[in-house]
Order: sequence, then structure tokens, then C-alpha cells
Amino acid sequence: QSALTQPASVSGSPGQSITISCTGTSSDIGYYNYVSWYQQHPGRAPKLILYDVFNRPSGVPGRFSGSKSGNTASLTIYGLQTEDEADYYCSSYTTSSTHVFGGGTHLTVL
Amino acid sequence: EEQLVESGGGLVQPGGSLRLSCAASGFTVSYNYMSWVRQAPGKGLEWVSIIYSGSSTYYTDSVKGRFTISRDTSKNTVYLDMNSLRSEDTAVYYCARGLVRGLSTYYAMDVWGQGTTVTVSS
Repeated sequence: QSALTQPASVSGSPGQSITISCTGTSSDIGYYNYVSWYQQHPGRAPKLILYDVFNRPSGVPGRFSGSKSGNTASLTIYGLQTEDEADYYCSSYTTSSTHVFGGGTHLTVL
Repeated sequence: EEQLVESGGGLVQPGGSLRLSCAASGFTVSYNYMSWVRQAPGKGLEWVSIIYSGSSTYYTDSVKGRFTISRDTSKNTVYLDMNSLRSEDTAVYYCARGLVRGLSTYYAMDVWGQGTTVTVSS
């Protein structure tokens, strides 16, 4: 049950786009299309922003987009806004019927 | 409004026990799967345990044999019983609901509580 691999930090300017990668194995990301992404602001609970790789819950802006290729999933945020500055976590269902999170990526909006 | 409220956290000595509760409102816990996720100070999220609507349960390796997840449908509450606690169990513990849309269950968590803090220290 090793954690998924994410970059520790990414940054971008308002209006720009960024992409956060999330690498797993053939037992999680590579096996299922059950990748989800969460946004967490300091001191707050996580918030679901994408599920099943690219689906957005109601209320999540279309600026948030997801994709997957092989064992790697990606979150892309278009048109960065200052309120997007937060920690982002990927997660996947696994062949062991468990879930696994990535280590998290801190997004700085410069 | 669908809401989760955790309670039961606190300071406990190594080797001790604690029971966390997660009270749900606005939905029925037995219709969704429910998870516990923890976050150690300054660290990332770690999935801990899950209970499905059919009552099957799973755990991350580090808590197997020490933690037990359960639910009481009459109280609409999910529990996490934690035994043989270690310093590395120190974290904020979140309760989260599995996403359900109609008859479909998705492997994502769409409602989260505010968390309860567990500190294991002598």
C-alpha cells in the first residue's frame, strides 16, 4: 500500500494553467479508472473536485480537468485563480479493495 | 444538509485505546460506504479504513488488527475503535462518505467531517 507519487509543489500565475501528476502502479491507477482528486485549504477538510478520473461533482468549476494514461493520472487547472492556492491530493481505488492517496502537492498561485 | 460530525479524539498514552464517532445527518450511513482518513501534523492524507453498505470492512496495513470500523444504523453513526495506539497514529481523523449517485457507487468521498484530533503521547 505505497502512497501514490505526486510532486511536492507546483506554481503558476493567475490566468495560467498548471498540471499535477499522480503516479501509481498497475494495482491501482493502472487497473481502475477510479482516480479522484481533492483540494484542501489550510485548516480545512478536503473537498472532492474530480472522481472517476475526469468527472466533476456539481459546483466544481470546469477549470478543473482530469486525465489518465497508464499508471499516471493528471489534474490540470486552467485559468488559475488566487483561491486555487491549496494542497491537492490524488487518490485511487486498489485491487486490494482499499484506497490510497498521493503525498499531496502544494499549489502556489504567484 | 448532509453533514458529518466527528468526536472522541483526545490525548492518549502509547498502548491505549480510543473510540472515534462520526455522526451523520441528512443521509443514512448504511446506504453509502464510509471511510476514515487521517492526516498527521504537517503531512498528507492517509486512508485508514472503510465499511461498505454490505458491512464488509477493509484497513490499511499499519492499523490491521488494531483498529475496527463499525456502524450503528439506529444512531446513524460510524465508529473507529483504536487499540494499541502508537505515536505514529497521532493525526487528525476525518470521517468521509462514499459518493453515491442514484444506484451507482463511486470510489470517491464527497462529504467530509471537520476532523477530530488524536494525540498519542506519554
